[in-house]
Amino acid sequence: DSGVTQTPKHLITATGQRVTLRCSPRSGDLSVYWYQQSLDQGLQFLIHYYNGEERAKGNILERFSAQQFPDLHSELNLSSLELGDSALYFCASSPRPEGLNEQYFGPGTRLTVT
Amino acid sequence: GESVGLHLPTLSVQEGDNSIINCAYSNSASDYFIWYKQESGKGPQFIIDIRSNMDKRQGQRVTVLLNKTVKHLSLQIAATQPGDSAVYFCAENWRAAGNKLTFGGGTRVLVKP
Repeated sequence: DSGVTQTPKHLITATGQRVTLRCSPRSGDLSVYWYQQSLDQGLQFLIHYYNGEERAKGNILERFSAQQFPDLHSELNLSSLELGDSALYFCASSPRPEGLNEQYFGPGTRLTVT
Repeated sequence: GESVGLHLPTLSVQEGDNSIINCAYSNSASDYFIWYKQESGKGPQFIIDIRSNMDKRQGQRVTVLLNKTVKHLSLQIAATQPGDSAVYFCAENWRAAGNKLTFGGGTRVLVKP
């Protein structure tokens, strides 16, 4: 158990809908990262927050947004969902914003868009 | 953009033998590398990391080797056990680009009893 929690574990929704995925980092970690894992694209970095501020963006679509709250939990919002958005979404946390340190991953949320 | 890649999608290993998983990276500016293990239905689990100023680092039953000349990374697992069956990912971090990891495509390791 990494100490990172994600809810829900599974989510099934229809195209065009909007969903919110939630992540709680390890106790004491200020950084939260979001990743998308699909069969054809592998693990792709989406976005990084540190202590409430956005630090880096990766291959995140404009239909997707995220935020980190004062209690350090983070939410990833996916809107106007398409079939291709079906994937596993992971969040990870680490203690520091940059520098050389490992990230600890949560169990993921499996999103199925029908 | 530059990315990390893996040569072998599947590696079958006899229990007790040593495993070697290889990874090629293309960004010569990357300064930190991590190996993750992902079991079915779970998130990636940190195994071992190495900084670019090192060429070898050992953990418990695992060793990571870094060859910056040819931009190659490998993970060696000693005395492979059934619990080592999983998908292994290498990831690189370029500090100047922030603390975001670029992952390789993954190698599945199957341990035969």
